[in-house]
Amino acid sequence: KAGVTQTPRYLIKTRGQQVTLSCSPISGHRSVSWYQQTPGQGLQFLFEYFSETQRNKGNFPGRFSGRQFSNSRSEMNVSTLELGDSALYLCASSAKGQGNEKLFFGSGTQLSVL
Amino acid sequence: TQLLEQSPQFLSIQEGENLTVYCNSSSVFSSLQWYRQEPGEGPVLLVTVVTGGEVKKLKRLTFQFGDARKDSSLHITAAQPGDTGLYLCAGSIYNFNKFYFGSGTKLNVKP
Repeated sequence: KAGVTQTPRYLIKTRGQQVTLSCSPISGHRSVSWYQQTPGQGLQFLFEYFSETQRNKGNFPGRFSGRQFSNSRSEMNVSTLELGDSALYLCASSAKGQGNEKLFFGSGTQLSVL
Repeated sequence: TQLLEQSPQFLSIQEGENLTVYCNSSSVFSSLQWYRQEPGEGPVLLVTVVTGGEVKKLKRLTFQFGDARKDSSLHITAAQPGDTGLYLCAGSIYNFNKFYFGSGTKLNVKP
């Protein structure tokens, strides 16, 4: 079984631009979550999608948005990029999206905002 | 402020030593997970604990969930260089698929 695939692996953008990150979950998994990882704040939950619906949301501004397609693939978008958005963005998938399930993480997209 | 406080932040030990990592909170969790993350990769799940007082063993790793489900510990016996990495605890409240992560413990095991 292929793992969670995130693209691109690295991204460099400038302030004010927008960016779209992609995540392909493990086949059969219906839940996709997104996390932001920074040295200062650690891993912070952005949002979770299940069957194309956003079920849970973290405390991030509205510049951070996401969506999930019918094949469970997910994208997240960050508009009007700020320097502080530089981080590793991790996507995780699970079969049913329950809190006691195993999360499978991708290798992440390293975003640098200049 | 992190919902889960993890300690210590850094640990550098010699091969063969034992160590314990702690994960504490004032909140009650329905489940708590431990992950290990290596540079350039996403976290990999080591264990999930769901019952207060639960103890799980994975070879040289022992995980414990506190009786009140507010804290957890990870104990490694006879650490090896292959144990080097960032150890993260993560808790879920109300069984939602939204995890609160601790700040992590960076472990370095020297040969």
